[in-house]
Amino acid sequence: TQLLEQSPQFLSIQEGENLTVYCNSSSVFSSLQWYRQEPGEGPVLLVTVVTGGEVKKLKRLTFQFGDARKDSSLHITAAQPGDTGLYLCAGAKDKLIFGTGTLLAVQP
Amino acid sequence: DAGITQSPRHKVTETGTPVTLRCHQTENHRYMYWYRQDPGHGLRLIHYSYGVKDTDKGEVSDGYSVSRSKTEDFLLTLESATSSQTSVYFCAISRSGGISTDTQYFGPGTRLTVL
Repeated sequence: TQLLEQSPQFLSIQEGENLTVYCNSSSVFSSLQWYRQEPGEGPVLLVTVVTGGEVKKLKRLTFQFGDARKDSSLHITAAQPGDTGLYLCAGAKDKLIFGTGTLLAVQP
Repeated sequence: DAGITQSPRHKVTETGTPVTLRCHQTENHRYMYWYRQDPGHGLRLIHYSYGVKDTDKGEVSDGYSVSRSKTEDFLLTLESATSSQTSVYFCAISRSGGISTDTQYFGPGTRLTVL
């Protein structure tokens, strides 16, 4: 089974801090997606990165796809309580393979 | 929001009983998926469907069966529930096969507890 490992598993920070979440695999993916999931709801797509080395920005969130298309990172600048949730990466091969998840809590 | 509903939203059942979860979509998307979500495992694919009566197994299909008799409905059945099937189950839909750049839209989930 192909695995996408995310780190850290849990992260609790204060409002205004910066953070980075990592998504790593030994497999190459054709693209990589990031989802955010809030309690009691299903995941919602944030972004898709396709090209090795690609960087995409969504307001205070910056997503990067590794050059070899095996890993990705999510950087949040000046985190806010509204960023609280479970962040999931998902790599695309013949199907979508989801990562293990990073649970982020931003304290006001 | 994509029109996806799941029923029931919560269910408690006993070991050995059959259980059926329903996913209903109003988007007319071709692909439908069933995932289970457990701590430390992220989302794992159970079964998926690429059209009416066309289904295939995912990563963790043992103990589960599915049926899709209409485009809008995808049923997941646990023939004889076991405690290891206690989980949160998510249905998802997508226009194409979920590969490359296509988006999967998720339902709100069903929390199943098997005692």
